[in-house]
Amino acid sequence: GENVEQHPSTLSVQEGDSAVIKCTYSDSASNYFPWYKQELGKRPQLIIDIRSNVGEKKDQRIAVTLNKTAKHFSLHITETQPEDSAVYFCAASDTSGTYKYIFGTGTRLKVLA
Amino acid sequence: NAGVTQTPKFQVLKTGQSMTLQCAQDMNHEYMSWYRQDPGMGLRLIHYSVGAGITDQGEVPNGYNVSRSTTEDFPLRLLSAAPSQTSVYFCASREAPSMKQYFGPGTRLTVT
Repeated sequence: GENVEQHPSTLSVQEGDSAVIKCTYSDSASNYFPWYKQELGKRPQLIIDIRSNVGEKKDQRIAVTLNKTAKHFSLHITETQPEDSAVYFCAASDTSGTYKYIFGTGTRLKVLA
Repeated sequence: NAGVTQTPKFQVLKTGQSMTLQCAQDMNHEYMSWYRQDPGMGLRLIHYSVGAGITDQGEVPNGYNVSRSTTEDFPLRLLSAAPSQTSVYFCASREAPSMKQYFGPGTRLTVT
């Protein structure tokens, strides 16, 4: 079945450094790839998303890149701040079939001040 | 515009009891889903619905039932609670055609 692998499971960076989280998906029909941020005790919040007809998307300090051939997509956070500390989830979905989201297992990011 | 709402926020059940987790959205979204979140396992899809009267199973449907009689509401029923169902449950709705999905605040369920 469909599967999304996410790594690393934990990531610690110094404040101001960059963080990169990577995901790999298995279903070649997937064409929509969102990223969610979840703070402790809160609901997941959508922070950025990308569709398969775009290779890269940027929103201020966060960016997502997609390599459809390799079935990889990545979240890049630059100039990290303590408030970036959270768990980040990637997901993959298709817009023409079941529309189901399949989530990765999450990355706990710690930004050290 | 309240978005996605869930009740209750916390619940403790004894093994074998049944209950319904409520979910409602006021954004007129056709697509709604239920997920459970367990430590280290991300968000796993339980059931989903692509519109009123239409539901389907996700990755982990056993022990749960759903129905979708209106666009707004998508309740999740636990038929006979088991300790393995201790988890945080999130309801979500998705707008079309952007595919953006929005989560409710969650229900923390403990089964003893």
